[in-house]
Amino acid sequence: AQKITQTQPGMFVQEKEAVTLDCTYDTSDQSYGLFWYKQPSSGEMIFLIYQGSYDEQNATEGRYSLNFQKARKSANLVISASQLGDSAMYFCAMRPNQGAQKLVFGQGTRLTINP
Amino acid sequence: DAGVIQSPRHEVTEMGQEVTLRCKPISGHDYLFWYRQTMMRGLELLIYFNNNVPIDDSGMPEDRFSAKMPNASFSTLKIQPSEPRDSAVYFCASSLGLVGDRQEAFFGQGTRLTVV
Repeated sequence: AQKITQTQPGMFVQEKEAVTLDCTYDTSDQSYGLFWYKQPSSGEMIFLIYQGSYDEQNATEGRYSLNFQKARKSANLVISASQLGDSAMYFCAMRPNQGAQKLVFGQGTRLTINP
Repeated sequence: DAGVIQSPRHEVTEMGQEVTLRCKPISGHDYLFWYRQTMMRGLELLIYFNNNVPIDDSGMPEDRFSAKMPNASFSTLKIQPSEPRDSAVYFCASSLGLVGDRQEAFFGQGTRLTVV
C-alpha cells in the first residue's frame, strides 16, 4: 500500500529565505510519480511540481525544486527566495504509473512566511 | 476548458437529510477522484474512477456514502443519511492516466458541507 509522510505540521520562515518541506513515501511500485500541491487559505489546490521515479534529474519549476532521493524514498520540496504569498498548506502526493493509479496525499505542512 | 466544476460550493443541511455533491471533470480526462478534507484527518481519498468504472472505494467511510459516474462528464457523491461528522470540504479531481509523462490531477473548487 502507498503511504506518504510529511513530518512537519508547521514551518515558519523569514521572507527571502529558502525553505525545505519534507516528504517520505512508501510503495512497492517500481514506477510512480510524485507531486506537490499548494493550498492557500482560499482553499483551492494548485499543482506545483512533478517528479517521475525514473527521472535522473531533480525537477524544477521556477522557484520550486524537488530534492528526489529514490533510495531514501524522499521527495522534499525546496522553495527558493520565499515570498509572503508562499504562505499556505503544502501537500506531497504519489501515484503509481501502472495498474491502479491511485493518487494518495500526505497530511500536509503549513508554511508561514514572516516579513 | 473551464476546469473541474463542482456544485454546490456550499451546502448546509440538517442531520438525516440526503446530500448530493456533483462534479464535472475536465473533458477527455479518464480518471476522477473524490477526496474529503478535514482538520483532523487531512485529505482522504474516498473513491476513484477510471473510464467511469469505480476502481477503489476503500476510502468510503461507510454505507451511507455512495458515488456514481454515469458518464464521462458527470459524477455524484451522495450521503444518506447525513451526520454532523460528515462536515468537511469535498474535492473532486480529474486527470489523464499517468503514462510516460506527468499527468497531474486538476482539482475543483470543493464543496464545503456543513451538517447541523
